[in-house]
Amino acid sequence: EPEVTQTPSHQVTQMGQEVILRCVPISNHLYFYWYRQILGQKVEFLVSFYNNEISEKSEIFDDQFSVERPDGSNFTLKIRSTKLEDSAMYFCASSEWGNTEAFFGQGTRLTVV
Amino acid sequence: AQSVSQHNHHVILSEAASLELGCNYSYGGTVNLFWYVQYPGQHLQLLLKYFSGDPLVKGIKGFEAEFIKSKFSFNLRKPSVQWSDTAEYFCAVNTGTASKLTFGTGTRLQVTL
Repeated sequence: EPEVTQTPSHQVTQMGQEVILRCVPISNHLYFYWYRQILGQKVEFLVSFYNNEISEKSEIFDDQFSVERPDGSNFTLKIRSTKLEDSAMYFCASSEWGNTEAFFGQGTRLTVV
Repeated sequence: AQSVSQHNHHVILSEAASLELGCNYSYGGTVNLFWYVQYPGQHLQLLLKYFSGDPLVKGIKGFEAEFIKSKFSFNLRKPSVQWSDTAEYFCAVNTGTASKLTFGTGTRLQVTL
């Protein structure tokens, strides 16, 4: 069964450093997303991406965040200068169309120290 | 903007007990409704979804949910839980025109032997 894969599974970084979280969505899907879940809190939407551009973003997704689809398979989330409060589980997801079910990856646990 | 409420934060049941997890949403227009499950250490998996049609939807592993439009509810049910159902359950909604998912805070289900 096709699945969304994310790397790395765990990333530890120092405050102020840049991190790039990587995702490989399901190959025939057209919509890509990033969500995050701070420990003990709910899953929150960050950004959606379609046709090589951001289609929607939340208030959380400020100038420190960016997304990119550098090639035909990867979808990345970059945090330019990490803060302690960026520590969370980051989930990538993809869907075939905008209003169909999203398939989630296993997540990257980001720890900022 | 839409929002989702899950009233039960932590539920403990014995094996074979019946389960009902509450989910209410607020949004005035057409919605798509989802229940996701997250087993310990794993990614979010779709249990079931409602887009239109029969308001009683059946999902995987014996779960079902009923959409009651007048109550803005989409409660998850299972007649007889198993120890392997121990997990966190998330209700989510997206609208007909936007693709992002809005999640509830989740319900941690613990099934004891």
